Amino acid sequence: QKEVEQDPGPLSVPEGAIVSLNCTYSNSAFQYFMWYRQYSRKGPELLMYTYSSGNKEDGRFTAQVDKSSKYISLFIRDSQPSDSATYLCAMSRNTGGFKTIFGAGTRLFVKA
Amino acid sequence: NAGVTQTPKFQVLKTGQSMTLQCAQDMNHNSMYWYRQDPGMGLRLIYYSASEGTTDKGEVPNGYNVSRLNKREFSLRLESAAPSQTSVYFCAILLAGGPDTQYFGPGTRLTVL
Repeated sequence: QKEVEQDPGPLSVPEGAIVSLNCTYSNSAFQYFMWYRQYSRKGPELLMYTYSSGNKEDGRFTAQVDKSSKYISLFIRDSQPSDSATYLCAMSRNTGGFKTIFGAGTRLFVKA
Repeated sequence: NAGVTQTPKFQVLKTGQSMTLQCAQDMNHNSMYWYRQDPGMGLRLIYYSASEGTTDKGEVPNGYNVSRLNKREFSLRLESAAPSQTSVYFCAILLAGGPDTQYFGPGTRLTVL
């Protein structure tokens, strides 16, 4: 079993829809949870991160962590065609970057 | 300010050939990483370097060597390329002042025939 599971999609939605992207994990020691966005043929770029449980909002994006269920989500409100990309979840036990585990990524298409 | 640069952008090798992937950063960060990205597998850590002159193995180090001769540059070498090393390779640095958030380069697409 992989430490981090993420549905690869693709997920196709109309412009303006609310998008929900999710990951599950098995290691209860994870404390830092990140979301990266990767456009085609580009490197991943950090969208947002949260520590432990709870929600974090940044503009149209909301990251949610439920440690009791080992489940994290990224919500995108009022989705735009420019949001079309692959979204990678990532998580780690502590700082230092040495044990960051990435999900395989979910491909999202937002249709105009 | 280019951030993290990688060369080359694309490369095609024959089985058994060697090559070095170059990564350079101008952000003055200590920690640098090499990942490979394969369909359905996500990003997997090959090697990392916590500081100049130090390197450590990641999840998939076999078939690779690295060199961190100065703070700015971190190179990845394939001594005898194999088709299983066909992948997209990303260099990254660890951003300071936060948790495990990383800044990635644009990637090198490598095909081994």
